[in-house]
Amino acid sequence: GENVEQHPSTLSVQEGDSAVIKCTYSDSASNYFPWYKQELGKGPQLIIDIRSNVGEKKDQRIAVTLNKTAKHFSLHITETQPEDSAVYFCAASTGGYQKVTFGIGTKLQVIP
Amino acid sequence: GAVVSQHPSRVICKSGTSVKIECRSLDFQATTMFWYRQFPKQSLMLMATSNEGSKATYEQGVEKDKFLINHASLTLSTLTVTSAHPEDSSFYICSAIGDADGELFFGEGSRLTVL
Repeated sequence: GENVEQHPSTLSVQEGDSAVIKCTYSDSASNYFPWYKQELGKGPQLIIDIRSNVGEKKDQRIAVTLNKTAKHFSLHITETQPEDSAVYFCAASTGGYQKVTFGIGTKLQVIP
Repeated sequence: GAVVSQHPSRVICKSGTSVKIECRSLDFQATTMFWYRQFPKQSLMLMATSNEGSKATYEQGVEKDKFLINHASLTLSTLTVTSAHPEDSSFYICSAIGDADGELFFGEGSRLTVL
């Protein structure tokens, strides 16, 4: 089955700096890569996703890149703000109605 | 985006009782829903895949007689924790596939505390 590795497990950045979270996956058939933000006591919320036919996708301060050859994908948050502090999960799926495999999560702390 | 509603958000019960958690897709039909358990500071652990009109598929190590899942309609799946014990205390989260492309939307989660 699919295996998703995520690092770092914790990340502290100064407000205004950029944050990068990296993930790798094992199943070359995976073609859907969502990223979720989970705030304390709440369910995960989809913040951005990318499909295997795209190398990069950007939405305001958030961007995701995908390298299918290396089976790497990354989340980039620019101009970080304190409200970006949360746990971020990467995930991978073969799409359709298949289950999604999650990384272990990265706790991001943005220091004011 | 699609909305998934989960209820209750918090529940406290006595040991030995059963607790039902509901997961509803509010603005779309969800043929497939998923139930997860999350321990503090850990990732989501998939418990089972709930398919409308059929039996749920449980992950290895998850007791199907302990965690009863019903998906009677395209907008509702329920998880019942039977004869709950303190070790069942956890954060339970559901999710639903929003469309054929596989976009996954999560409920807000339910915090279960068994005394």
